[in-house]
Amino acid sequence: SYELSQPLSVSVALGQTARITCGGPNIGSKNVHWYQQKPGQAPVLVIYADYRRPSEIPDRFSGSNSGGTATLTISRAQAGDEADYYCQVWDDSTDLVFGTGTKVTVL
Amino acid sequence: QIQLVQSETEVRKPGASVKVSCRASGYIFSNHAMSWVRQAPGQGLEWMGWISAYTGNTKYSQRLRGRLSLTTDTSTNTAYMELRDLRSDDTAVYYCAKVDYDEGGSWGQGTLVVVSS
Repeated sequence: SYELSQPLSVSVALGQTARITCGGPNIGSKNVHWYQQKPGQAPVLVIYADYRRPSEIPDRFSGSNSGGTATLTISRAQAGDEADYYCQVWDDSTDLVFGTGTKVTVL
Repeated sequence: QIQLVQSETEVRKPGASVKVSCRASGYIFSNHAMSWVRQAPGQGLEWMGWISAYTGNTKYSQRLRGRLSLTTDTSTNTAYMELRDLRSDDTAVYYCAKVDYDEGGSWGQGTLVVVSS
């Protein structure tokens, strides 16, 4: 079965840039979506189709998918960005696959 | 805007069944599939399965196949998830989500299911 790997945790200083990676076989051929989940809340889409951003999401969030890794970048990190982040793809057998999740801490 | 509203918290004993509902609005329900995802306490997101609201076709995760049933009612734009033979490790928050291949997902607010004797 298809698997996506993410770092367990990422720490970032207030106002600096955090990068969260998502790796999987041939991930460059897939649409990667990213979700933010705060404690006690449902996941919220922050990036879809590799780099596209929903209109309500700040432009501090950006995404890329190249070189065998998808990356979510949070620029000018704020305390409110502290959350768990998950990448997600559809695999070739139409199963929905989530990454293992990354906890982002803003110092 | 897309809204998915789920039913309230359920408490069940081991061996029982639970059925969670998810009422959709803000898009053409029958044109899309509905996925179900669960999250055990302190754990990550686990995909359970999806159902096409148009055809009724389903795809279940291998882990839950045999215990899970997904259905829809297009007259009320509602999707249902039924899980049978509940075990303590089925305790989780269950989400419905409209997750399109190229547009990502919109999620319900989640339904807590507690399995305890």
